[in-house]
Amino acid sequence: AQSVAQPEDQVNVAEGNPLTVKCTYSVSGNPYLFWYVQYPNRGLQFLLKYITGDNLVKGSYGFEAEFNKSQTSFHLKKPSALVSDSALYFCAVKDAGKSTFGDGTTLTVKP
Amino acid sequence: NAGVTQTPKFQVLKTGQSMTLQCAQDMNHNSMYWYRQDPGMGLRLIYYSASEGTTDKGEVPNGYNVSRLNKREFSLRLESAAPSQTSVYFCASRTATYEQYFGPGTRLTVT
Repeated sequence: AQSVAQPEDQVNVAEGNPLTVKCTYSVSGNPYLFWYVQYPNRGLQFLLKYITGDNLVKGSYGFEAEFNKSQTSFHLKKPSALVSDSALYFCAVKDAGKSTFGDGTTLTVKP
Repeated sequence: NAGVTQTPKFQVLKTGQSMTLQCAQDMNHNSMYWYRQDPGMGLRLIYYSASEGTTDKGEVPNGYNVSRLNKREFSLRLESAAPSQTSVYFCASRTATYEQYFGPGTRLTVT
């Protein structure tokens, strides 16, 4: 089965600084990888995906993710964090007819 | 487009009571999913439906049943609620390239 791991439960950054939320994956075959964001009391929202092509994927709200096949990683990044980016972030991988989600990383951006 | 809608938003049940959570999507997606989200346990798949007329068990199906009424609607039924089913329930539908769109959630408390 496919799996993803998010090694950090919590990431804290100062507003204006770059942010990285980490994700590693384990798949057989070519990976379909995703990032989602969840704001308090809301459902998950799709941010971006990697299926094939450029290793740097751009998504919503200024986020991007870097696919690294040799390190089996798909880290979420943003050059300059905003307080409004504070939320719960999930990495996911396609797994047959469904997706397998990581346990989530809480991002806190402090003013 | 309303996207994915869920009813009700909140529900309190007594142990042993039954209820049905409703979900509908207007994006013409074939696949739909039911998840539960508990603190510290991430997102766990209860049941999914790859297409109208088919349903499959996910990671935590015990105590639940589902019905894929038509392409738009996918309902989740608790026949005899237990306190362990206190959770936030999310419905989602999926595009052809596997990104998922989530509803706003149902917050269920079983006393």
